[in-house]
Amino acid sequence: EVQLVQSGAEVKKPGESLKISCKGSGYTFTSHWIGWVRQMSGKGLEWMGFIYPTDSDTRYSPSFQGQVTISVDKSFSTAYLQWGSLKASDTAMYYCARRGAGGSDHAFDIWGQGTMVTVSS
Amino acid sequence: DIQMTQSPSSLSASVGDRVTITCRASQSITSYLNWYQQKPGKAPNLLIYTTSGLQSGVPSRFSGSGSGTDFTLTISSLQPEDFATYFCQQSYITPWTFGQGTKVEIK
Repeated sequence: EVQLVQSGAEVKKPGESLKISCKGSGYTFTSHWIGWVRQMSGKGLEWMGFIYPTDSDTRYSPSFQGQVTISVDKSFSTAYLQWGSLKASDTAMYYCARRGAGGSDHAFDIWGQGTMVTVSS
Repeated sequence: DIQMTQSPSSLSASVGDRVTITCRASQSITSYLNWYQQKPGKAPNLLIYTTSGLQSGVPSRFSGSGSGTDFTLTISSLQPEDFATYFCQQSYITPWTFGQGTKVEIK
């Protein structure tokens, strides 16, 4: 079964660092871009960026450039989303998603279950 | 960034109704328009890719059409499991952007 499994919920204080993960299985991990999408409570979806595991080519949304780091460890079939200094406004659900192939290569065809990040003092 | 505007923001419908949701892009995105369904507490699920491609496993009552700046998602006969929020997304150019969502509720 093709799936993306994300790390568990996190509760952090402002100023702390955090790295969440997304592990792919059931497919050739290096053949598909992995993206990250933010969803704040009760709100819509925001594309943060994506990474190509084969060569770590990364594209960021200007809204998130410099605020987060997307990385990958292809030996572990895992992508990461990292913050150096969290803010309360980073509180949200974060989804990883796989960019499809063939006809669906411009869409996210597989999604992780989401990681809830709560930042509160 | 390309702005995506969905209408309506919400709608009430009955089982068996034909439902249409529209999505407008702030500039031409050719056919690079996708539709997702999201149920409460769950991740989004791809329904339609590049305007009209039906994702594997998605019922044929879902269909998409359009080109350029104006797109439509149609549910031909609404089923109980279709009550959810629907998002359009353009993937013509980065940053990929989503519409604000359309919540389909039970009348």
